[in-house]
Amino acid sequence: DVVMTQSPLSLPVTLGQPASISCRSSQSLVYSDGNTYLNWFQQRPGQSPRRLIYKVSNRDSGVPDRFSGSGSGTDFTLKISRVEAEDVGVYYCMQGTHWPQTFGQGTKVEIK
Amino acid sequence: QVQLQESGPGLVKPSETLSLTCTVSGYSISSGYYWGWIRQPPGKGLEWIGSIYHSGSTYYNPSLKSRVTISVDTSKNQFSLKLSSVTAADTAVYYCARDIVVVVAATEGFDYWGQGTLVTVSS
Repeated sequence: DVVMTQSPLSLPVTLGQPASISCRSSQSLVYSDGNTYLNWFQQRPGQSPRRLIYKVSNRDSGVPDRFSGSGSGTDFTLKISRVEAEDVGVYYCMQGTHWPQTFGQGTKVEIK
Repeated sequence: QVQLQESGPGLVKPSETLSLTCTVSGYSISSGYYWGWIRQPPGKGLEWIGSIYHSGSTYYNPSLKSRVTISVDTSKNQFSLKLSSVTAADTAVYYCARDIVVVVAATEGFDYWGQGTLVTVSS
């Protein structure tokens, strides 16, 4: 299975400041169709996960534009330009290129 | 608005079979997409279990494949999960979700999720 490694695992952030989460895969996530199926999810406390980003950089409907995704190959990043209180939770990257689809361990974002 | 709701027993005895159903509203399963199950042990991360197409085509996580069966009932707009020979390690919140499979075995992930249901394996 493709191993997804996130860092850091814990990220204390000051309100209004930027935050960045790294996700690395053990194999390239470029699929034979040329797309890269790297997705990001947010799980707020006590809630179900919610997809934020699909195929590296495509934001889901309703996701604030302070969230952005980037990267290629095996290295990917989720950035929050200015952290708000509602952004507290755990963020997971997930690869959908190689079967079985696998998730990272999660990065817990909290307010300092 | 697509909504999913899991249902089933919250307590299962070791060695027995866990059975859950996901009822979909706001979208007809027969219209397309794959529909999947994901689980999350208490305080831990997410693990994909398997997904099914409305035609009944399935794909499972190899780590669970020998114990998992996912089925679909388009007449009720539901799909179901059965996990056999459960142990305490299967204690988790089980989520159902819509799986955006775009080509064979390549997916954009899950765009709609149920609220999740906690299943505890204990005697």
